[in-house]
Amino acid sequence: QVQLQESGPGLVKPSETLSLTCTVSGGSISGFYWSWIRQPPGKGLEWIGYIYYSGTTSYNPSLKSRVTISVDTSKNQFSLKLNSVTAADTAVYYCARTTGQLAPFDYWGQGTLITVSS
Amino acid sequence: DIVMTQSPDSLAVSLGERATVYCKSSQSVLFNSNNKHYLAWYQQKPGQPPKLLIYWASTRASGVPDRFSGSGSGTDFTLTISSLQAEDVAVYYCQQFYTSPRTFGQGTKLEIK
Repeated sequence: QVQLQESGPGLVKPSETLSLTCTVSGGSISGFYWSWIRQPPGKGLEWIGYIYYSGTTSYNPSLKSRVTISVDTSKNQFSLKLNSVTAADTAVYYCARTTGQLAPFDYWGQGTLITVSS
Repeated sequence: DIVMTQSPDSLAVSLGERATVYCKSSQSVLFNSNNKHYLAWYQQKPGQPPKLLIYWASTRASGVPDRFSGSGSGTDFTLTISSLQAEDVAVYYCQQFYTSPRTFGQGTKLEIK
């Protein structure tokens, strides 16, 4: 059974960089697409972007200028960096898998709450 | 971006009764090459990540009870729970995976009447 686990600091200061890692267990990161999705408290879901195991990326234009997603196949991990954060970036951040470029999210991490505050 | 609009925002249904959630996309999510609608439904319970229920608009994901069904075409889609159970209390989201950026509906909160 594939499992995803997000990790990173729960608190980030305004203007700094948010960094998260998703560790994939129970299966290989190879051959799949890996996304980051976030959900502000009490609100809906926003797709941030994806990375293919080979390194190809696609980002949401609304965040593209601030986002970098990378992959480390040797560690079965992929990562998110979001720079110049503000309070509006406070959210639960999820990592998720799709089996193809155009496919639904079939496996999700439990999510991690990131609060942007000084 | 494709805008996904769900209705209603919240819904209260009696146990054992039918619950229906609607989702409208701002443009078609139908791929003509394979005649599939690139539309998924998710269930999110409090404190949990979303769970995939339905994809290709009408295909149940593995392990999803058959009381959940999806239908629709073009830009209008429906999620139906044929006989509401207590464990179905959740927020339901539709999502298009036809193009980037992937977009979700705003969610429909389903409660017991």
